[in-house]
Amino acid sequence: DAKTTQPPSMDCAEGRAANLPCNHSTISGNEYVYWYRQIHSQGPQYIIHGLKNNETNEMASLIITEDRKSSTLILPHATLRDTAVYYCIVRVADPYNNNDMRFGAGTRLTVKP
Amino acid sequence: DAGITQSPRYKITETGRQVTLMCHQTWSHSYMFWYRQDLGHGLRLIYYSAAADITDKGEVPDGYVVSRSKTENFPLTLESATRSQTSVYFCASKVGNSPLHFGNGTRLTVT
Repeated sequence: DAKTTQPPSMDCAEGRAANLPCNHSTISGNEYVYWYRQIHSQGPQYIIHGLKNNETNEMASLIITEDRKSSTLILPHATLRDTAVYYCIVRVADPYNNNDMRFGAGTRLTVKP
Repeated sequence: DAGITQSPRYKITETGRQVTLMCHQTWSHSYMFWYRQDLGHGLRLIYYSAAADITDKGEVPDGYVVSRSKTENFPLTLESATRSQTSVYFCASKVGNSPLHFGNGTRLTVT
């Protein structure tokens, strides 16, 4: 699986957009980019994933560069409850693969009033 | 998330004792996973299971045993607990290519 690189921490003002970057320069053509987050003392929560097109859901938007070597998770209007550790994971979406999704250190996002 | 339940929520045990952490999911997801989370290491995969009676080792399997006799249950057993196994343990499940769904964790302290 491709390795990902994320900044260890970021701050964001409440109500502003939070843009969390992720580098995955060795990504393969069949690997998806997944984003999860973990709010303190809770289990990780799925946010969004994509292959090469930009994706949007009720939680966030995922922007993947044309060369797929990096991506950005966007929380359009960050709230204090978005304070969490955000994980970017690159993984083949293959039901016959061994499916062991592995988490790195992530980015600790702090949303400030 | 109401569909995957871990028990107990907190557990204190002594070195050398056997302890079992329970994980139950109501979705009939085929895949189930156990992770541990420690400061400085993030989430690390212990074991996973693709279906009932099929299990595989993850990154850090030593000292742990799993079984999966029923699709909905995936217990994790520490046969002889050590202090290094003090951690927060998360169970997760998924089906096919769907995202992982995590439980709220079990905080285990080995004294």
